[in-house]
Amino acid sequence: AQSVTQPDIHITVSEGASLELRCNYSYGATPYLFWYVQSPGQGLQLLLKYFSGDTLVQGIKGFEAEFKRSQSSFNLRKPSVHWSDAAEYFCAVRSSGNTPLVFGKGTRLSVIA
Amino acid sequence: NAGVTQTPKFQVLKTGQSMTLQCAQDMNHNSMYWYRQDPGMGLRLIYYSASEGTTDKGEVPNGYNVSRLNKREFSLRLESAAPSQTSVYFCASSEGSGGFYGYTFGSGTRLTVV
Repeated sequence: AQSVTQPDIHITVSEGASLELRCNYSYGATPYLFWYVQSPGQGLQLLLKYFSGDTLVQGIKGFEAEFKRSQSSFNLRKPSVHWSDAAEYFCAVRSSGNTPLVFGKGTRLSVIA
Repeated sequence: NAGVTQTPKFQVLKTGQSMTLQCAQDMNHNSMYWYRQDPGMGLRLIYYSASEGTTDKGEVPNGYNVSRLNKREFSLRLESAAPSQTSVYFCASSEGSGGFYGYTFGSGTRLTVV
């Protein structure tokens, strides 16, 4: 069965600093990987996804993520965080079959001045 | 605006009452999903419908039923609400049920059972 682990429950960064949110997955074959963001009181919005090809994928709002098969990781990064990036971030995985997305428990990002 | 619409946005129920959460999408997506979100638990799948006419259980289906009314609409019913069902419920849709497709989410229904 697929699973996703987000080791950090809460991260605080200063505005302008770089950001890396960790995600580890468990799945035998090459998975389909996603990052979503949830602003307070809102639904989830897709940031980026990976399914094959170049292991570094670009997303919206200046985010990128790198797939590392050897580490079973798909970490999300941003070079310079803005206050508006404060939100909860979810990593998710699904197989190539007709299986629904499996989500991690999320990482809450706080941004301080 | 195109997307996934959930109604109602907020609801308070008494224990034992029933209600139906409505979800509709206008993107001609084939697959639809119901998740619940609880603090520290992430999103857990309740039920999903890979295509019109099919439904399947997810991780936490007990106490819920679903109906895929047509391609656009996928409702979630609580027959006898319990305090443990206090949660935020999200409906989502995707173009297909295969691995490549991401989801489009509704804005959620916040349900409190007292």
